Amino acid sequence: NAGVTQTPKFQVLKTGQSMTLQCAQDMNHEYMSWYRQDPGMGLRLIHYSVGAGITDQGEVPNGYNVSRSTTEDFPLRLLSAAPSQTSVYFCASSFHRDRVGYTFGSGTRLTVV
Amino acid sequence: GQQVMQIPQYQHVQEGEDFTTYCNSSTTLSNIQWYKQRPGGHPVFLIQLVKSGEVKKQKRLTFQFGEAKKNSSLHITATQTTDVGTYFCPSGYSTLTFGKGTMLLVSP
Repeated sequence: NAGVTQTPKFQVLKTGQSMTLQCAQDMNHEYMSWYRQDPGMGLRLIHYSVGAGITDQGEVPNGYNVSRSTTEDFPLRLLSAAPSQTSVYFCASSFHRDRVGYTFGSGTRLTVV
Repeated sequence: GQQVMQIPQYQHVQEGEDFTTYCNSSTTLSNIQWYKQRPGGHPVFLIQLVKSGEVKKQKRLTFQFGEAKKNSSLHITATQTTDVGTYFCPSGYSTLTFGKGTMLLVSP
C-alpha cells in the first residue's frame, strides 16, 4: 500500500538511551518532515528535507538528528533520550508544491522514563 | 511555513449545528492547507487554497481564502459526530507550521 510507514508504533526508552524512529515512503516524494505533537501544543516541526542529501532544522531540532541518504527513507535519531522528548512523533511527505498536501504516517508514541 | 493564528482553540456544538474556524496571518500567504486529525489519529489533508478569494466545497465543508490572502475559514454545515477532531490550517510548501488548531467536539 502506498503511503508513509513509521516504525515502531510504540516505544518506551530509559533516560539517556538512543534510538532511531524509522520513516519510509513509497510515493517518490521530494519533501519529508518530522513533527512532534504534545498535548495543547499542536504539531511542531523538528527537521525536514527537500530531497535526498538535503536536510534542515525546524522549530525544535535540539536532541534530534536526521539524514536523507535515499528519497524513500528519513530516519529520526534521538541521541540521548530525555523525559521532555516523551511525545507522539509524525513523519510526513509531499511532492514539491503538490496540491494534495502532505501524507502523514500513523505516528510513533514514545515514552521516556 | 508561515505563521498562522487559528481561532477558536476549542468548540463544542450539538449535532446539527454549524461550525466555523478562522485562520489569520499578519503577512500575505502563498497558500493555505487544511488538515483534520481525529482523536488518536494522524493529520489528514483536506484541501489547499492558493488563489485570492478562492472558495471550495467538499460536501458539508466550505473553505474560503481571503481576498488579501491573509485569512481563511472552514465552515461545516449541520455538524455530525464524524466531524469530531482537530482542524489545522498550515501554510507553506517545503515546510508547514501547524499551530494548535481548533478542536471540535460534537454531541449527539
